[in-house]
Amino acid sequence: SQTIHQWPATLVQPVGSPLSLECTVEGTSNPNLYWYRQAAGRGLQLLFYSVGIGQISSEVPQNLSASRPQDRQFILSSKKLLLSDSGFYLCAWGKTHYEQYFGPGTRLTVT
Amino acid sequence: AQSVTQPDIHITVSEGASLELRCNYSYGATPYLFWYVQSPGQGLQLLLKYFSGDTLVQGIKGFEAEFKRSQSSFNLRKPSVHWSDAAEYFCAVGARGSNYQLIWGAGTKLIIKP
Repeated sequence: SQTIHQWPATLVQPVGSPLSLECTVEGTSNPNLYWYRQAAGRGLQLLFYSVGIGQISSEVPQNLSASRPQDRQFILSSKKLLLSDSGFYLCAWGKTHYEQYFGPGTRLTVT
Repeated sequence: AQSVTQPDIHITVSEGASLELRCNYSYGATPYLFWYVQSPGQGLQLLLKYFSGDTLVQGIKGFEAEFKRSQSSFNLRKPSVHWSDAAEYFCAVGARGSNYQLIWGAGTKLIIKP
């Protein structure tokens, strides 16, 4: 069966510091990968998606970036965090028929 | 443009009562349809999905949903809710040819009264 991992689970970072969130998927190959953000009390905002290694599509212009160095690894980064980057970050994977399966999420607080 | 509307931000029901959460979508053809549930501080779990065929689909945790093409709706139902059903529920639509992206509703928070 497939499993998706995200770490860290929680993170508190000062404004202007760098960020690296990691997501890995087990039990499948060549998945589509997604990064979402949920601001407090808000819905899901798609940040990035990837259909293959090195292929990243950005949905929202911002100071975040994503990379996919391996087939089942998806990384969300920032060089300098803003207060507005606080939120709950979710990684998901999918293959057919658009269904997506989510990781447990990372709670990021920028102070 | 495609869109998904969940008209109820919050719904409160008594434990043991029936539940219906509404979802309407805007799309020119039959989309792929999904309901997800999110407990506080956790990721989203897929409850059920509709691709084609029988318009009444069964999901996990006793939930079901009915696709009504004429109303562009995919409402989620449960005959008797339990306190553990308190969570946020998201409806999503996969529009064919959209690079595998889902269009999300804003979510409905379900509150259970004891």
